[in-house]
Amino acid sequence: KNQVEQSPQSLIILEGKNCTLQCNYTVSPFSNLRWYKQDTGRGPVSLTIMTFSENTKSNGRYTATLDADTKQSSLHITASQLSDSASYICVVTHGSSNTGKLIFGQGTTLQVKP
Amino acid sequence: DAGVIQSPRHEVTEMGQEVTLRCKPISGHDYLFWYRQTMMRGLELLIYFNNNVPIDDSGMPEDRFSAKMPNASFSTLKIQPSEPRDSAVYFCASSLTGGLSALNYGYTFGSGTRLTVV
Repeated sequence: KNQVEQSPQSLIILEGKNCTLQCNYTVSPFSNLRWYKQDTGRGPVSLTIMTFSENTKSNGRYTATLDADTKQSSLHITASQLSDSASYICVVTHGSSNTGKLIFGQGTTLQVKP
Repeated sequence: DAGVIQSPRHEVTEMGQEVTLRCKPISGHDYLFWYRQTMMRGLELLIYFNNNVPIDDSGMPEDRFSAKMPNASFSTLKIQPSEPRDSAVYFCASSLTGGLSALNYGYTFGSGTRLTVV
């Protein structure tokens, strides 16, 4: 079954600290993996997109890694800010990058406290 | 570009009433997607269109749900009759195909319509 599992379900950290969110998937065939940030009351916004041949991709303080062999990805947030408080959703494309279906994880809710 | 525009932002309706959600995709995008998000199930794909044609509606929960895309700049998702279990946030998203274009730009989501059926 094609699934995307994220951990932890929720996380609370202090402002300025780093954190790492995990994503494991069993999707096959797989073409790409995305991390989205969803602020409360808003739609998801893309942070990174990686194909199966990419190991890492950065977007500012966000760095995503991908191990296609073990089917694991992580999102590392450096020097967290209050504005990082949001849900982070891992999404894997099942099939081709143009027409494949997106398989969504349940998300990790991050709360950054001052 | 204003992004994907959805209306209304919030909708409260009584059980049994018809509900219509609206979406304007980003100009030039040829794929349009309707998603539903709940706490229990997360984001679920309901249906998607390519060049205004429905391609996959296997995610539509029941015959009470229908979606149309009469032209490249407008789509509707209709629920008739609505039920309390339809309460959720409904997102519309669009994307641009073309190999690397789709990969680089990914999907763009609207801000969603929060539907409450009482």
